[in-house]
Amino acid sequence: AQKITQTQPGMFVQEKEAVTLDCTYDTSDPSYGLFWYKQPSSGEMIFLIYQGSYDQQNATEGRYSLNFQKARKSANLVISASQLGDSAMYFCAMNSNTGFQKLVFGTGTRLLVSP
Amino acid sequence: NAGVTQTPKFQVLKTGQSMTLQCAQDMNHNSMYWYRQDPGMGLRLIYYSASEGTTDKGEVPNGYNVSRLNKREFSLRLESAAPSQTSVYFCASSEAQPQHFGDGTRLSIL
Repeated sequence: AQKITQTQPGMFVQEKEAVTLDCTYDTSDPSYGLFWYKQPSSGEMIFLIYQGSYDQQNATEGRYSLNFQKARKSANLVISASQLGDSAMYFCAMNSNTGFQKLVFGTGTRLLVSP
Repeated sequence: NAGVTQTPKFQVLKTGQSMTLQCAQDMNHNSMYWYRQDPGMGLRLIYYSASEGTTDKGEVPNGYNVSRLNKREFSLRLESAAPSQTSVYFCASSEAQPQHFGDGTRLSIL
């Protein structure tokens, strides 16, 4: 079975600073994917970034990067130059690339960006 | 470009009533999913459909049924609503990675 652990219920950061949101995972699958989603207060789920377990380089999408450390089973999200609009819930998720690709989510981290 | 559309956005039911949540996607995706989101628990998979004509149970299927009506539409039915089913329900679709989500249905059962 797969499991995602997000140990930070809430994080605070000042505008323009960088912040790291932690995510650790557990799986016995040899091939898997790791995802981060953003959920603003309006409620929708917005896909941010994806990392495949065999990808050699860390994924980046604009101000978002995924710090993937396979040996540690961690997939931390780094947001550079935080903006007020980054205030939201952030969910880490994973699926297996063997068999059907069902997502398993963590419990989320609430990020608050202050001016 | 609508993506994944869920109806209704809000609904209040009485215990024992039935209800169908509708989901439609216009991205020609083969796979569709229903999740529920409860406070402090992230999203949990209720049912999924890998392709048109197939459905399978997820992590929390009890009390729900689903229908994959065609490639575009995937509905979730509560036959006899219970207060424990008060939640926010999300539909998603995908063709490989990643899953694309609808805006959610907030369902309250009194």
